[in-house]
Amino acid sequence: QKEVEQDPGPLSVPEGAIVSLNCTYSNSAFQYFMWYRQYSRKGPELLMYTYSSGNKEDGRFTAQVDKSSKYISLFIRDSQPSDSATYLCAMEGIQGAQKLVFGQGTRLTINP
Amino acid sequence: NAGVTQTPKFQVLKTGQSMTLQCAQDMNHNSMYWYRQDPGMGLRLIYYSASEGTTDKGEVPNGYNVSRLNKREFSLRLESAAPSQTSVYFCASSEDPSEYNEQFFGPGTRLTVL
Repeated sequence: QKEVEQDPGPLSVPEGAIVSLNCTYSNSAFQYFMWYRQYSRKGPELLMYTYSSGNKEDGRFTAQVDKSSKYISLFIRDSQPSDSATYLCAMEGIQGAQKLVFGQGTRLTINP
Repeated sequence: NAGVTQTPKFQVLKTGQSMTLQCAQDMNHNSMYWYRQDPGMGLRLIYYSASEGTTDKGEVPNGYNVSRLNKREFSLRLESAAPSQTSVYFCASSEDPSEYNEQFFGPGTRLTVL
């Protein structure tokens, strides 16, 4: 079983829809939870990160972490065609090691 | 600032050939990383360098070697390429290994081994 599981999709929704992306994990030592966005044929770029449990909001994006359920989510409100990309969750536990563990990535398409 | 740069962008090798992937960053970061990305597998850490002069194995180090040439440069070498090493390789860097820092990724090298 992978340490981090993410539904690879693909996921296709109409413009303006609310998108929910999710990851589950098995390692209770994870403390930092990240979402990276990767456009086609580009490197990943950090979208949001959260420390421990809770919510974090940045514009149309909201990240949620539920450590008791070992479950993290990314919500995109008022989705735009420019949000079409692959979204990767990533986690890191041992402070100082900086060894991220990534999910498989979910490919998202927003249709105009 | 160019950020993280990688060369080459594309490469085709025959089984058994060797090559070195180059990575450089201009952000004065201490830590650098090499990942591979395969369909359905996400990114997996091959090797990392927490600081200049140190390197350590990641999740999938077999078949690879690395060199932290100086603070800016971190190279990945395939001594005898195998078809299983066909992948997209990403280099990344971050500021400080002692606490959480954002990792900045390069544009990737697409490698095919025939």
